[in-house]
Amino acid sequence: AQSVTQLDSQVPVFEEAPVELRCNYSSSVSVYLFWYVQYPNQGLQLLLKYLSGSTLVKGINGFEAEFNKSQTSFHLRKPSVHISDTAEYFCAVSVAGANNLFFGTGTRLTVIP
Amino acid sequence: GAGVSQSPSNKVTEKGKDVELRCDPISGHTALYWYRQSLGQGLEFLIYFQGNSAPDKSGLPSDRFSAERTGGSVSTLTIQRTQQEDSAVYLCASSSRTSGRYVSYNEQFFGPGTRLTVL
Repeated sequence: AQSVTQLDSQVPVFEEAPVELRCNYSSSVSVYLFWYVQYPNQGLQLLLKYLSGSTLVKGINGFEAEFNKSQTSFHLRKPSVHISDTAEYFCAVSVAGANNLFFGTGTRLTVIP
Repeated sequence: GAGVSQSPSNKVTEKGKDVELRCDPISGHTALYWYRQSLGQGLEFLIYFQGNSAPDKSGLPSDRFSAERTGGSVSTLTIQRTQQEDSAVYLCASSSRTSGRYVSYNEQFFGPGTRLTVL
């Protein structure tokens, strides 16, 4: 069975500081990994995804994530956050042949002016 | 173009009543998903439709939940005899037909959700 763990439910960070949102997954087969962002009162939007190839994936709004197979992690990073990055971030995993995504519980990023 | 739309945006109902939630996917998308987002929990998969194939209902939590998709487009999620634990945000997503074996290759586009409150 697949599962996703986001250890940090809330992450406050000052504007222009770097941030890392952690995501670990559990799966016995190869996985595809995703980060979604949910801005207040909006639907989920794809930030980036890892399917294969380079383990460093770049997404929208300056975010990037690195797939680490040995540590079963897919942490999300941004070198300098903006107020507009305040949102809920969800890590998700899917496996070959699956019809759905398995989501983590989300991390609420709050950027402090 | 228009994204995924859901209606109503908010629904308050009394315990024991039936509710219907509607999803309009992006035009041309053949795959449609329903998820449930409960407070403090991640998104929980409910059901998946792909074209005219039989739906994957493996995520439906009980037989009070059902969904249908008419004409391969609009979908309705029905919850019968609602309970307080059904209170959540119900999200719909759609994606284009996968060209390979793996559905998850195609990005899922999410609607804004329907917030259901059962009193």
